[in-house]
Amino acid sequence: GAGVSQSPRYKVAKRGQDVALRCDPISGHVSLFWYQQALGQGPEFLTYFQNEAQLDKSGLPSDRFFAERPEGSVSTLKIQRTQQEDSAVYLCASSLFSAGEETQYFGPGTRLLVL
Amino acid sequence: AQSVTQPDIHITVSEGASLELRCNYSYGATPYLFWYVQSPGQGLQLLLKYFSGDTLVQGIKGFEAEFKRSQSSFNLRKPSVHWSDAAEYFCAVGAGTGGFKTIFGAGTRLFVKA
Repeated sequence: GAGVSQSPRYKVAKRGQDVALRCDPISGHVSLFWYQQALGQGPEFLTYFQNEAQLDKSGLPSDRFFAERPEGSVSTLKIQRTQQEDSAVYLCASSLFSAGEETQYFGPGTRLLVL
Repeated sequence: AQSVTQPDIHITVSEGASLELRCNYSYGATPYLFWYVQSPGQGLQLLLKYFSGDTLVQGIKGFEAEFKRSQSSFNLRKPSVHWSDAAEYFCAVGAGTGGFKTIFGAGTRLFVKA
């Protein structure tokens, strides 16, 4: 079946622009996660949704970062007034159930470059 | 605070040789532990996980890992490495309420020489 998809795969933004990154999780998956992976680093947790509820957003770096999942399926990560330090790969993952030991299935990521 | 340490930034092994990648974690309770692999152009893929029971866990692609509470370690092993195993390997711990906040280590890059 289809895996997690993300769009766009690549995004170049000028500093100060707003960007929106989309994640389509595996159909029926309850949980959805966003991560930020800087070059040469491991992924860093940003936020977690259980259906449409955002249960943990402790990893969002600043109030310029906002995520939503209004209908409990597709999610959008929005970054306002992008800065160069926002350049990274943004990964989305989903899992079938809402449990910490559940397997997370990752998308290919969106590579964001802020100039 | 919860953390994951992968002491080796990169490791080189010969094809057919055994492999052990080290991982140490810092977490108060019994953790959920994971190993992921990331190949160029491919997404993160789960190799194996531990959350309870037998401390020796078998995963895909011939990998296994052993949870040692006394050493706060979860090292990944493979008896015979194949060239296709060359990739970046990440150890992770499920932290926070419910274990949903996954914390990753910085990764170990595996090189395989012929």
